[in-house]
Amino acid sequence: ILNVEQSPQSLHVQEGDSTNFTCSFPSSNFYALHWYRWETAKSPEALFVMTLNGDEKKKGRISATLNTKEGYSYLYIKGSQPEDSATYLCAFASQAGTALIFGKGTTLSVSS
Amino acid sequence: DTGVSQDPRHKITKRGQNVTFRCDPISEHNRLYWYRQTLGQGPEFLTYFQNEAQLEKSRLLSDRFSAERPKGSFSTLEIQRTEQGDSAMYLCASSHNTGGLVNGYTFGSGTRLTVV
Repeated sequence: ILNVEQSPQSLHVQEGDSTNFTCSFPSSNFYALHWYRWETAKSPEALFVMTLNGDEKKKGRISATLNTKEGYSYLYIKGSQPEDSATYLCAFASQAGTALIFGKGTTLSVSS
Repeated sequence: DTGVSQDPRHKITKRGQNVTFRCDPISEHNRLYWYRQTLGQGPEFLTYFQNEAQLEKSRLLSDRFSAERPKGSFSTLEIQRTEQGDSAMYLCASSHNTGGLVNGYTFGSGTRLTVV
């Protein structure tokens, strides 16, 4: 059974703090790793899709790195803002055409 | 195209009743996925379609669950003889044939099912 682990489960930071989350996934049969942001009462929104070992992607203040050999990805948020408050999900695909397997998510709360 | 839409947004039903949910994906997406999310858990895969063909179904999925995508456009998910354990958020997502490799999945807002 393929398992995707995320840590921490939840996190509370002050506005302006930088933070990071971890996603662990099976290092064998890797195909793709996705990150999604899910705000309350909205749909999950794709942040990044990563496929290459060592890949690093950035979108504004949010960035992600990928290590497929050891099976982990980090998501970084620089200078957190209250609007960053959401649950951040990572999801793993073991081969093309298979559905994503999601972790439980990290819930971020940013206070102003 | 306004994205992936799901109907209804909320459904309260009595235990033992049947319920059906609908998902309308982005029109040019040929893959459609159903997930279920319960409190404290991540989205759990249920089934997915490529066009009208159901290509994969979770082994954890009870026989009470069935999904269709008759013309390769909208999809329905039916739960027969609902149980309290079926209470969850049911999410639908769609993607291009690449399996969302470039842009990821596009999700709907979900249907919140409560079985009383």
